[in-house]
Amino acid sequence: AQRVTQPEKLLSVFKGAPVELKCNYSYSGSPELFWYVQYSRQRLQLLLRHISRESIKGFTADLNKGETSFHLKKPFAQEEDSAMYYCALGGAGSYQLTFGKGTKLSVIP
Amino acid sequence: NAGVTQTPKFQVLKTGQSMTLQCAQDMNHNSMYWYRQDPGMGLRLIYYSASEGTTDKGEVPNGYNVSRLNKREFSLRLESAAPSQTSVYFCASSEPGQVGYQPQHFGDGTRLSIL
Repeated sequence: AQRVTQPEKLLSVFKGAPVELKCNYSYSGSPELFWYVQYSRQRLQLLLRHISRESIKGFTADLNKGETSFHLKKPFAQEEDSAMYYCALGGAGSYQLTFGKGTKLSVIP
Repeated sequence: NAGVTQTPKFQVLKTGQSMTLQCAQDMNHNSMYWYRQDPGMGLRLIYYSASEGTTDKGEVPNGYNVSRLNKREFSLRLESAAPSQTSVYFCASSEPGQVGYQPQHFGDGTRLSIL
């Protein structure tokens, strides 16, 4: 069974401080991991995916298969980063994307 | 670029009423999905359609039915609405291929309240 755990419901950081949003997953096959972001009253949008190994809006995430983690990081938080962040897991042979419960990031000016 | 369009954006129903939520995408995607989003629960998959002509249950299908009308449209129906179905409903679509390797594109959501 696929499972995604985001241990923090709410994360508050000061502007300019580093951010790390945690995501752990459980999956027996080869995982495909995503981070989605939802700004206030906007639609969910893809932030990044592990296979692309890209940096979007200063965020990065590395897949650690040994620790089954895909934590989202940014060295210096900005106020516009305040949003709901969801980690999502898919995999080979699956048509379903499993979402974590989300972490609300609040950046304090 | 409309992407994924959902109608209506807001709806209030009485318990026992029926309603259909509409979703259409203009990206020529094969796969489409319906999720519900509840506080503290994240997004949970209700139904999905891997391709035109097929539909499958997701995590929370009870109380819902779906129709993949054509490649563009995927509707969600509540036959007899219950207060527990008060939620925000999101439709999504993804590019051809298995969902695990393709990101999903979301609509703006439908806020549904059932009294």
